[in-house]
Amino acid sequence: GENVEQHPSTLSVQEGDSAVIKCTYSDSASNYFPWYKQELGKRPQLIIDIRSNVGEKKDQRIAVTLNKTAKHFSLHITETQPEDSAVYFCAASKGAAGNKLTFGGGTRVLVKP
Amino acid sequence: NAGVTQTPKFQVLKTGQSMTLQCAQDMNHNSMYWYRQDPGMGLRLIYYSASEGTTDKGEVPNGYNVSRLNKREFSLRLESAAPSQTSVYFCASSDVGNQPQHFGDGTRLSIL
Repeated sequence: GENVEQHPSTLSVQEGDSAVIKCTYSDSASNYFPWYKQELGKRPQLIIDIRSNVGEKKDQRIAVTLNKTAKHFSLHITETQPEDSAVYFCAASKGAAGNKLTFGGGTRVLVKP
Repeated sequence: NAGVTQTPKFQVLKTGQSMTLQCAQDMNHNSMYWYRQDPGMGLRLIYYSASEGTTDKGEVPNGYNVSRLNKREFSLRLESAAPSQTSVYFCASSDVGNQPQHFGDGTRLSIL
């Protein structure tokens, strides 16, 4: 089955700097790649997603890039703010019946004021 | 609009007890999912239901059963709870195809 690896596991940045999280996936048939943010004790919430027919997607300070050939995708957060501190999860899916997601292990991001 | 509602929010069980976790969504989604999240780890799929009337195993189904009661409701049952099942359980739902999954607030389950 699909395997998703996520790096780094922890990331500490100064407020205002950029943060980058990288994920690799194993199944070349995967075609949907969402990113979730989870604050302590809360539910995961979708922040951005990308489909395999697109190489890059941006939403204000957040962007995601996808390299299908290399089977990796990345989350970029610019101008980080303290409220960006959370755990971020990448995931991959083939979009077949049921849209099963395979999650990466998560990245704990700490934005220092 | 509540989205995905899970009950209960917290539960403590003794080893060997049984329990059903409830999940309901009001977004008219076809697909529903149950995940577990162990401390400091990612989410692992237990079972999912692609549509009303169907259920399939995910990555970690052992020790669990599910019921898709109708389009809105998807329950997860622990028949004989074990300490290894101590975890936070999340229910999610989505439309068909490559659509985002929406999560409930979770059930924090401790098994002594």
